[in-house]
Amino acid sequence: GENVEQHPSTLSVQEGDSAVIKCTYSDSASNYFPWYKQELGKGPQLIIDIRSNVGEKKDQRIAVTLNKTAKHFSLHITETQPEDSAVYFCAASMGGNMLTFGGGTRLMVKP
Amino acid sequence: DTAVSQTPKYLVTQMGNDKSIKCEQNLGHDTMYWYKQDSKKFLKIMFSYNNKELIINETVPNRFSPKSPDKAHLNLHINSLELGDSAVYFCASRNREGGKLFFGSGTQLSVL
Repeated sequence: GENVEQHPSTLSVQEGDSAVIKCTYSDSASNYFPWYKQELGKGPQLIIDIRSNVGEKKDQRIAVTLNKTAKHFSLHITETQPEDSAVYFCAASMGGNMLTFGGGTRLMVKP
Repeated sequence: DTAVSQTPKYLVTQMGNDKSIKCEQNLGHDTMYWYKQDSKKFLKIMFSYNNKELIINETVPNRFSPKSPDKAHLNLHINSLELGDSAVYFCASRNREGGKLFFGSGTQLSVL
């Protein structure tokens, strides 16, 4: 089955700096890669996703890149703000039905 | 209106008891899931139901039994609770293959 590894497990940045979280996946058949943000006491919420026919996608301060050959994808957050502090999860699946999640990254943005 | 709602939010119980967690989605989605999140925040799928039919059943002890009375509801019943069952359980739903996955706010289960 699919295996997704995520790094780093914790990330601390100064407000205004950029943050990058990286994931690798094992199953070359995976074609859907979402990113979720989980705030304290809440369920994960989708913030951005990318499909294998696209190399990069951007939504305001958030961008995701995908390298199918290397089987890795990354989340980039620019101009970080304290409200970006949360746990971020990457995930991968083929067809979108069964998502396999990475281990999560706790992002702390210091004011 | 909450898209995916689950109750209760907190559940504290003794070892050996039987408990249920309820989940409802008002999004008209066909597929619903149960995920388990352990103390290290690792999210793992437990079950997936498509239109009331079980389609994924990961290696979960048979003490866990999902029940879907209709496609808007997926409840989780747990028999003979063990200490290791303590975790946060998330219900989720999706509309179609590759569609966005919506999570509930979670049920924190503590087994004493």
